[in-house]
Amino acid sequence: EPEVTQTPSHQVTQMGQEVILRCVPISNHLYFYWYRQILGQKVEFLVSFYNNEISEKSEIFDDQFSVERPDGSNFTLKIRSTKLEDSAMYFCASSPGFQETQYFGPGTRLLVL
Amino acid sequence: DQQVKQNSPSLSVQEGRISILNCDYTNSMFDYFLWYKKYPAEGPTFLISISSIKDKNEDGRFTVFLNKSAKHLSLHIVPSQPGDSAVYFCAATGSARQLTFGSGTQLTVLP
Repeated sequence: EPEVTQTPSHQVTQMGQEVILRCVPISNHLYFYWYRQILGQKVEFLVSFYNNEISEKSEIFDDQFSVERPDGSNFTLKIRSTKLEDSAMYFCASSPGFQETQYFGPGTRLLVL
Repeated sequence: DQQVKQNSPSLSVQEGRISILNCDYTNSMFDYFLWYKKYPAEGPTFLISISSIKDKNEDGRFTVFLNKSAKHLSLHIVPSQPGDSAVYFCAATGSARQLTFGSGTQLTVLP
């Protein structure tokens, strides 16, 4: 069964450093998403991406964040200058179409020191 | 922002019995609802969904009920199995594509 994959599974970085989290969505899906879950909190929406552009973003997704689909398979989330409060589990998801079921990857645990 | 609420942080049931997980929402623009199951250190796994044009959807041991007037949905698992022990998240979406999640309910199925 096709699944969303994410790399790395864990990332430790120093405050102020740039990180890139990578995702490979399910191959025939058209919509891509990033969510995050800070320890002990809810899963929160960050951004959705369709047709090579951002379709929606939350207040969390400020200028420090960017997303890209550099080729036909990868979908990346970049945090330009990490802060301590960016420490969280980051989940990528994809869906075949609008308002269809979103399928999640296993997540990347990001720790900012 | 508590647009989707799961008021029970935990639930324990005996193997073979019914598990009922509840979820309330406040945003009347939500029209599609999903349940996800999550194990530690894994991503949410889709279980079942329901559109607001329905009041029930069934898939094997899992049934989701939607009461639009009460803005309430529930997930029934019958019969419950020890492998069902996980955190269950309710999520909702409307015209926006983003999912709004509840805080989750830890289900423990006792053998």
